[in-house]
Amino acid sequence: ELKVEQNPLFLSMQEGKNYTIYCNYSTTSDRLYWYRQDPGKSLESLFVLLSNGAVKQEGRLMASLDTKARLSTLHITAAVHDLSATYFCAVAPSSGTYKYIFGTGTRLKVLA
Amino acid sequence: DSGVTQTPKHLITATGQRVTLRCSPRSGDLSVYWYQQSLDQGLQFLIQYYNGEERAKGNILERFSAQQFPDLHSELNLSSLELGDSALYFCASSPSGGTSGADEQYFGPGTRLTVT
Repeated sequence: ELKVEQNPLFLSMQEGKNYTIYCNYSTTSDRLYWYRQDPGKSLESLFVLLSNGAVKQEGRLMASLDTKARLSTLHITAAVHDLSATYFCAVAPSSGTYKYIFGTGTRLKVLA
Repeated sequence: DSGVTQTPKHLITATGQRVTLRCSPRSGDLSVYWYQQSLDQGLQFLIQYYNGEERAKGNILERFSAQQFPDLHSELNLSSLELGDSALYFCASSPSGGTSGADEQYFGPGTRLTVT
């Protein structure tokens, strides 16, 4: 059974600091997704990572994928308050199924 | 605004009842996904439809069923409701249903179900 683990679960950081959220998964996959969810809101797609070594950047967020290590990271550079949200990674097994498994989420709070 | 619409926004009902949640995908998207989000279970994939056909099943209870209609809108039916079914139910859509790896899912605003 595919398991997706994120850490940390909660992250409180000061504005201007850097930090990394980790997403580990337990089986082979060549598709990994990152989403953002604001409180009481829906999910917004941030990144789609499709191959080993893939790196994508948008503003202060950068995501990468290491399929050999079964690990994706979401790096936050010089955090600002507007980045406060819950971040989810999701994995679709490369076995051909379409069952997307979401991680537990990382609740990020950026303090001014 | 993702372009995915869900109705109703909120639903309050009693245990044992049956409800229907509705989802309209983005224009041109063929695939619809249903998810349940609750505090204790997190975000759980329930089921996926692609162009009217069931494509994948996740942790969907037997009391729950879904379908996708010829106009591509989808309905999730929840019956014999229990307190534990209280959750936020999201619908998402994507263009090709996962056959293309770059198939992003676009989420609707969700339906908050409260079972009393």
